[in-house]
Amino acid sequence: GNSVTQMEGPVTLSEEAFLTINCTYTATGYPSLFWYVQYPGEGLQLLLKATKADDKGSNKGFEATYRKETTSFHLEKGSVQVSDSAVYFCALSSLIQGAQKLVFGQGTRLTINP
Amino acid sequence: DAGVIQSPRHEVTEMGQEVTLRCKPISGHNSLFWYRQTMMRGLELLIYFNNNVPIDDSGMPEDRFSAKMPNASFSTLKIQPSEPRDSAVYFCASSLQGGLGPQHFGDGTRLSIL
Repeated sequence: GNSVTQMEGPVTLSEEAFLTINCTYTATGYPSLFWYVQYPGEGLQLLLKATKADDKGSNKGFEATYRKETTSFHLEKGSVQVSDSAVYFCALSSLIQGAQKLVFGQGTRLTINP
Repeated sequence: DAGVIQSPRHEVTEMGQEVTLRCKPISGHNSLFWYRQTMMRGLELLIYFNNNVPIDDSGMPEDRFSAKMPNASFSTLKIQPSEPRDSAVYFCASSLQGGLGPQHFGDGTRLSIL
């Protein structure tokens, strides 16, 4: 079945450091790929997405490229801020009977120190 | 714009009691999802509806759990009887039909069963 594997956290960085959170997936067909972010006490929010191979999703300085050859969708940011501290989830979707079913990775907790 | 609204935000009750969690999806969204989040198991999809019809309930842990969607603007997740191992954060999410848009999450219900 479909699955997503993320690098284990927690990840702790200093402000302005470069961020990479690795994500690889196993799926049949050609799923869409997503990064969601969860701030404390809140639900998940969509950060970015890519729907086909070689697409690059970007938002708020974060980027991820859909790599079919390596089945990866790594999240990157060039210079992190304290406000980026959150839990990040990689996910893939498959369309089943008219609904987008998401499979999530286990999440990576990111802490940015000033 | 109103997002997905869940109630209550927090629920503390004794084991054996019935628990009802409520969700109001975003107006116009045809798909609705219930998730459970725990430290041990991460985010798990419990059930999802398309046009008020349950499509896949394979994630529902056992018969103590039930979910309904009587109309397009309301859904409930019920646990009867509740057990301490049901303690978790329960999220509701909604999306446009056919994967036309991302899933939008509510802020969750934090459930504690004593």
